[in-house]
Amino acid sequence: GQNIDQPTEMTATEGAIVQINCTYQTSGFNGLFWYQQHAGEAPTFLSYNVLDGLEEKGRFSSFLSRSKGYSYLLLKELQMKDSASYLCAVEDSNYQLIWGAGTKLIIKP
Amino acid sequence: ETGVTQTPRHLVMGMTNKKSLKCEQHLGHNAMYWYKQSAKKPLELMFVYSLEERVENNSVPSRFSPECPNSSHLFLHLHTLQPEDSALYLCASSQDAGAGANVLTFGAGSRLTVL
Repeated sequence: GQNIDQPTEMTATEGAIVQINCTYQTSGFNGLFWYQQHAGEAPTFLSYNVLDGLEEKGRFSSFLSRSKGYSYLLLKELQMKDSASYLCAVEDSNYQLIWGAGTKLIIKP
Repeated sequence: ETGVTQTPRHLVMGMTNKKSLKCEQHLGHNAMYWYKQSAKKPLELMFVYSLEERVENNSVPSRFSPECPNSSHLFLHLHTLQPEDSALYLCASSQDAGAGANVLTFGAGSRLTVL
């Protein structure tokens, strides 16, 4: 079966760095997405990785290792507004998105 | 209006009611989606429309009936729902369906409670 695993909840301190991991087992691979979802709001696109390596976008970076079926989202200089759920999704060989259950990130002052 | 708009934002209905959820996108996208989001569960894809034609139906119960009258509007008609259908229903759109790097733009969702 197809499966995406990510931690249910994480807590971090304002100003610090946090890494949210995502491991996947899917039928083929056409890319990995990260979305951010604030409570009561729409998920919004953060990043897309299709090749191995690190993609940096401001305070957020996303890493992919296809051989390990592994990705992480790195958030630096955490701000209170980063408190949200972070959703990992993989596009399989049929271009279907397989979603993780999301990681709720709590930022404390 | 920009992006993807969903109405109503909140809906409470009895099991015998009939109601509809509406979604409108102003992005010129060709594909639209309905997802179900339940607490601590992955997003569940319900329906996909590409250029107003249904291309995916993930074994959704017939009490959910989608309608796509044009590429900008999508409806989800609800009837004789069950309490376990209570969830957040998200609409999304993308430039095309079934293509790589298919970034979705989501609406804020309709929170449905079935009594």
